[in-house]
Amino acid sequence: DTAVSQTPKYLVTQMGNDKSIKCEQNLGHDTMYWYKQDSKKFLKIMFSYNNKELIINETVPNRFSPKSPDKAHLNLHINSLELGDSAVYFCASSTSGDSAPYEQYFGPGTRLTVT
Amino acid sequence: ELKVEQNPLFLSMQEGKNYTIYCNYSTTSDRLYWYRQDPGKSLESLFVLLSNGAVKQEGRLMASLDTKARLSTLHITAAVHDLSATYFCAGLGSEKLVFGKGMKLTVNP
Repeated sequence: DTAVSQTPKYLVTQMGNDKSIKCEQNLGHDTMYWYKQDSKKFLKIMFSYNNKELIINETVPNRFSPKSPDKAHLNLHINSLELGDSAVYFCASSTSGDSAPYEQYFGPGTRLTVT
Repeated sequence: ELKVEQNPLFLSMQEGKNYTIYCNYSTTSDRLYWYRQDPGKSLESLFVLLSNGAVKQEGRLMASLDTKARLSTLHITAAVHDLSATYFCAGLGSEKLVFGKGMKLTVNP
């Protein structure tokens, strides 16, 4: 039983295209996240949703648009892909609240290559 | 804004040796997390440290948290090759985890 799943695992596309990555979690968590990991392995948060509501929106180009149809799903749509978008994108989920541990569980990642 | 620094960023050590790696953070964070990432894989949660003085151990790894010094350590005992991976620490700031740059550990036979 996969806790946090992402599709696709690999995505190769050309500059200017539009693509989507899907994420689903079956842990019953109320918060989901998108991270970008660059070639130097630096991990940076992009977005966070709590119960379908956007709560964190870091400095990310507006070509990136997250959507959360329900608290178990968080998708990422990217318009007009650029070479610099090439990276591994991780989805994660956690509980939240003052007493919550906020321990995040990560999906397997989607390796995006823009040519 | 919370900043997290790891030291060192690269470590090559021999099997059987001990070593401690450090994670410093810039502002108050009463929670500290350690993750492991194998090449081409996802991040796996190792430890969640929720209070000052917390110490957790799993196998050859032991993590501790000193919130007054804003420091967490990850101690490796009698390293084995299977511990080779990248280790990230992260603090909790403004409802989000802030990750350090990661420490790539290579354990040589």
